[in-house]
Amino acid sequence: AQTVTQSQPEMSVQEAETVTLSCTYDTSESDYYLFWYKQPPSRQMILVIRQEAYKQQNATENRFSVNFQKAAKSFSLKISDSQLGDAAMYFCAYRSINNNDMRFGAGTRLTVKP
Amino acid sequence: GAVVSQHPSRVICKSGTSVKIECRSLDFQATTMFWYRQFPKQSLMLMATSNEGSKATYEQGVEKDKFLINHASLTLSTLTVTSAHPEDSSFYICSARTPTGTGTEAFFGQGTRLTVV
Repeated sequence: AQTVTQSQPEMSVQEAETVTLSCTYDTSESDYYLFWYKQPPSRQMILVIRQEAYKQQNATENRFSVNFQKAAKSFSLKISDSQLGDAAMYFCAYRSINNNDMRFGAGTRLTVKP
Repeated sequence: GAVVSQHPSRVICKSGTSVKIECRSLDFQATTMFWYRQFPKQSLMLMATSNEGSKATYEQGVEKDKFLINHASLTLSTLTVTSAHPEDSSFYICSARTPTGTGTEAFFGQGTRLTVV
């Protein structure tokens, strides 16, 4: 079974600075999808960014970008120009192309300091 | 993006009673929906996969007789917590994927906070 590991329970960043959240995963599959979700205090899960494993180019969405290292099975999230509204729990998730369900990491709580 | 609506957002029930949580896809048809449970400060744990017109697939360790899932239509899945006990208190989240495309993200409901007293 696939597992997703987020080794940073908590991270803190100064407003306007850059922060990187780590995620590693374990799989024997060659093709799959990876996601970063944000969960603010409202508990609503919000998609931040996604990456298809067959794509070598790292995904980017405005201030959010990933560093996808397939061989190392690493999928980190970089948040640039951090804003107060970025404060939330961030979950890394894996989805096989053969299965519908997602497997989530334990999450990283991001605090943004003004 | 697609919208998934979950109801109720909060529910308090007495121990021994049953509670039903609804998950609706508002602007798309979802042949498959997923039910997660999230304990405080923890991650989402998949409980079961709900398939329209067939029996749900439960994850190991999840009691299917306690957590009844019904997916009677392409836009509605329900989770019924039967004979609820305080240990069932948790945050329950549903999600659904749009049927078209590949690698599409799952859209999540807003969650239901269940408190059993």
